[in-house]
Amino acid sequence: GQNIDQPTEMTATEGAIVQINCTYQTSGFNGLFWYQQHAGEAPTFLSYNVLDGLEEKGRFSSFLSRSKGYSYLLLKELQMKDSASYLCAALPYNQGGKLIFGQGTELSVKP
Amino acid sequence: KAGVTQTPRYLIKTRGQQVTLSCSPISGHRSVSWYQQTPGQGLQFLFEYFSETQRNKGNFPGRFSGRQFSNSRSEMNVSTLELGDSALYLCASSLGGTDGYTFGSGTRLTVV
Repeated sequence: GQNIDQPTEMTATEGAIVQINCTYQTSGFNGLFWYQQHAGEAPTFLSYNVLDGLEEKGRFSSFLSRSKGYSYLLLKELQMKDSASYLCAALPYNQGGKLIFGQGTELSVKP
Repeated sequence: KAGVTQTPRYLIKTRGQQVTLSCSPISGHRSVSWYQQTPGQGLQFLFEYFSETQRNKGNFPGRFSGRQFSNSRSEMNVSTLELGDSALYLCASSLGGTDGYTFGSGTRLTVV
C-alpha cells in the first residue's frame, strides 16, 4: 500500500526556521516531491529528491531517507509570503504521472 | 514559455449534468495527469495520458473519463454530476518519466 503522512498545520514566526516532516509507506518509488500551494492557486514545484540526503535550493532545503521512510522540507528566514500549504508527494515505480500526495501541511507565518 | 493552461477557471453545474474540462500542457510535454483536490481528501489522482494513451488510472468511478489529442491537449469529462464532485480539478504536465510535474491553476467545479 501507499500512504503519506504530514502534520495538518504548523505555525512559525517571520525570520525563523521551520521543518515540515513527511513520512511514507510505499512499496517503492522513484523519488519524493515537495510542492507549495497558496490558497486558490496551482501547486508550484519546490524540490525533488531521488537520492538520500539533503538538497539545498536557496531558503528551501529538502531531505530524504529511504531507509527511514522519511523526508522533510526546511524553510529558512521565513517570510510572510511563505504562508501556504506544503505538499509532499511520491512518484511510485512504473506509475508514470501518478503522484501520491500527502494531505498537505498548512503553514502560517506570524509577524 | 507558457505554462499549463486550464479552462474554464470556474464552472457551476447542476446535479445530473455533464462537464468537460480542458488542459493545454507546456509545449513539448507529452504527459498530462489529472487530479481532484478537495478539503477532505487532498489531491487524488484521476488518470494520466501519454502520447494519447491512458497509462494510469486512479480509483474513481467510470463517470470520470478523459482523453488526449495528438497535440497533447487533454480533456476530462464527468458525466451525471453529483454534489460530491464539487472540487478543484488540476492537471499537470511533464516530459514523462520522472521529470518534474508542472500544474495548471485548475478548474473550480461547483455542483448544485
